Amino acid sequence: EVKLVESGGGLVQPGGSLRLSCAASGFTFSNYPLSWVRQAPGKGLEWVSSISASGDDTPYAESVKGRFTISRDNSKDTLYLQMSRLRGEDTAVYYCTKEWDKSDDSHYGYWGQGTLVTVPS
Amino acid sequence: DIVMTQAPLSSPVTLGQPASISCRSSQSLVHSNGNSYLSWLQQRPGQPPRLLIYKISNRFSGVPDRFSGSGAGTDFTLKISRVEPEDVGVYYCMQTTQFPHTFGGGTKVEIK
Repeated sequence: EVKLVESGGGLVQPGGSLRLSCAASGFTFSNYPLSWVRQAPGKGLEWVSSISASGDDTPYAESVKGRFTISRDNSKDTLYLQMSRLRGEDTAVYYCTKEWDKSDDSHYGYWGQGTLVTVPS
Repeated sequence: DIVMTQAPLSSPVTLGQPASISCRSSQSLVHSNGNSYLSWLQQRPGQPPRLLIYKISNRFSGVPDRFSGSGAGTDFTLKISRVEPEDVGVYYCMQTTQFPHTFGGGTKVEIK
C-alpha cells in the first residue's frame, strides 16, 4: 500500500524558513517522480514543485521559484521542501504526491494527508 | 501556462440524479507521446484530494463506475451517473501534460 506522510509544518514568521518532509512507503521510491501541491485555506489546489526520480529535474511554480527548494533522499525514501523567505500567501496545507504511476501512466494517484504551514500576514 | 477553466462553480444535485462538470483548457493537452494528461480529482470536506479519472477517461483504482470522463483536445467532461451522498465535495480538473501542472478552480457538488 502506498503511503505518504508529511511533517514539518507549523507557524513561522514572515521572512522565516521551514523544511517539510514526506516519508514514503509501499513503492520503490527511487523510481518515481514526486510533487508538492498546496491549498490555501478555503481555496483551490496549486502545484508547487516536482522532482524527477533521479532528482535532476526540479520545476517550480513562479510563485515559489528562488525561495523554495525541492529535494529527495532516495536512501531514506523521503521527499523534502525547503521553504525560505516565507510570506503570508504561502499559508496553506502542503500535500506530498506521487506524481506518476508506471503501471497505468496515471498522475497524482497518491496523496498524503497534508501538513499546515501558517505565515501570519 | 495552460489555464484550466471549470463550470459550473457549484452544482446542487438531487440524490440519484446525474451531475456533469465541464473543464476547458487554454490549449491542447495532447502530449508528444499522443496521450492527453487530463485528470479529475475529488476532494471531500476535510480530506486530501483523490484521483478519480486520468488520461481523460480512465477510472483510477477503486473508483466507482458511476464516474466517467470524456472529451478531447481542449474540452472535457466529468459525469456522475447517479449522485450519492458520499459524492459531496469539490471536483477539480488538472492537466499534467506540461509544467507547470495546473488545476481548474473547482466545482462544488452539493445535495439539493
